[in-house]
Amino acid sequence: GAGVSQSPRYKVAKRGQDVALRCDPISGHVSLFWYQQALGQGPEFLTYFQNEAQLDKSGLPSDRFFAERPEGSVSTLKIQRTQQEDSAVYLCASSLGAVTGNQPQHFGDGTRLSIL
Amino acid sequence: DQQVKQNSPSLSVQEGRISILNCDYTNSMFDYFLWYKKYPAEGPTFLISISSIKDKNEDGRFTVFLNKSAKHLSLHIVPSQPGDSAVYFCAASAWGAGSYQLTFGKGTKLSVIP
Repeated sequence: GAGVSQSPRYKVAKRGQDVALRCDPISGHVSLFWYQQALGQGPEFLTYFQNEAQLDKSGLPSDRFFAERPEGSVSTLKIQRTQQEDSAVYLCASSLGAVTGNQPQHFGDGTRLSIL
Repeated sequence: DQQVKQNSPSLSVQEGRISILNCDYTNSMFDYFLWYKKYPAEGPTFLISISSIKDKNEDGRFTVFLNKSAKHLSLHIVPSQPGDSAVYFCAASAWGAGSYQLTFGKGTKLSVIP
């Protein structure tokens, strides 16, 4: 597709369950980012990949959060032993890459995660 | 501490008039600034950006102004249209320092009244 695709759009899980969120970036985009957006707030950075390399994971809130991009394209954000405070919209963004200079990030529509 | 601040949670403007959305930042390492528009249940859509080497960038009805000494940027929409009604986010990155993550403000909800 032409844009960033995220699935599922909505996910409901019980506290303590593991969840996996998928992101399909724009074809050819080197850089991929994950953000978390709480209600009424701006998106907050979680982690950054350049191709398959995770170059920055400073925003991951705990070791229950794990992200991967094994082939440098599709990425998965995994949350283990979910807690109620994990409820948020998780946004994925991609961009052409740093080597081409300043490039805007393009966002998917997000996955709305609700933990009961 | 909030490094990017949008102090107006909401703004109402008459159709055809100018909308001015403001953003302040505190991190002097920020060198790339962007505005995003967001409709409910959708992801942010990129609108316009500006590098710190410029003080103005224009794209159709949208113009972004950057005042580095004041650490302030603004987005002007002229003329405003009802379809512009959305939440607008200001974002910044420290590209030159190798930090590509975006830091966002909390957003300003723009309502354009027909």
